Amino acid sequence: QVQLVQSGAEVKKPGSSVKVSCKTIGGTFSSDAFSWLRQAPGQGPEWMGDIVPVFNVANYAQRFQGRATITADESTRTVYMELSSLRYEDTAVYYCARNQRGSSLWFDPWGQGTLVTVSS
Amino acid sequence: DIQMTQSPSSLSASVGDSVTLTCRASQTIASYLNWYQQKPGKAPKVLIYGASSLQSGVPSRFSGSGSGTDFSLTINNLQPEDFATYFCQQAHSPPWTFGQGTKVEIK
Repeated sequence: QVQLVQSGAEVKKPGSSVKVSCKTIGGTFSSDAFSWLRQAPGQGPEWMGDIVPVFNVANYAQRFQGRATITADESTRTVYMELSSLRYEDTAVYYCARNQRGSSLWFDPWGQGTLVTVSS
Repeated sequence: DIQMTQSPSSLSASVGDSVTLTCRASQTIASYLNWYQQKPGKAPKVLIYGASSLQSGVPSRFSGSGSGTDFSLTINNLQPEDFATYFCQQAHSPPWTFGQGTKVEIK
């Protein structure tokens, strides 16, 4: 049973950066793919990008290209997402999730979420 | 990007009712459609993948159907724990996109 445990809530100023971690417990890790998603209040989730740790190459949604950086550390089984040049509209709950593939591609399980608040 | 539109945005129903939620894609996505349930303060949980396959552990009162651009999630015999928000997600082309959700409330 794979569990994803995320770092705690953050409050950041506009223009700064935030780095959120996601530690995986169980599962194979290196050959799995992990995504980062975010969810603003009252909205549906938004996929930001993903990474397969063994390849250490990340894919990004175009709107986050150049501002988000997803990395993985195989030694600690942890995936990271750093978002730079923060804006007020980046305030959201950020989730990591494992990609599952079969007859589709879905996200399961998810981490517990990390609230990032951008405030001056 | 593929836009996902869910309807209705909210509905009220009673325990024991059957409800059908719909999701429409802005272009054809074959059967690359997943459904999630989310409760307040919790992460989404997958219910249905590939339009109609029930995720392990999910009660059989949940069912999904559709292909192409139009999809539905049906919940039979609504239970108290089913009152939540439901999202659809397309897995045809990245970026993977979600609908805005349907909130199922107690009447």
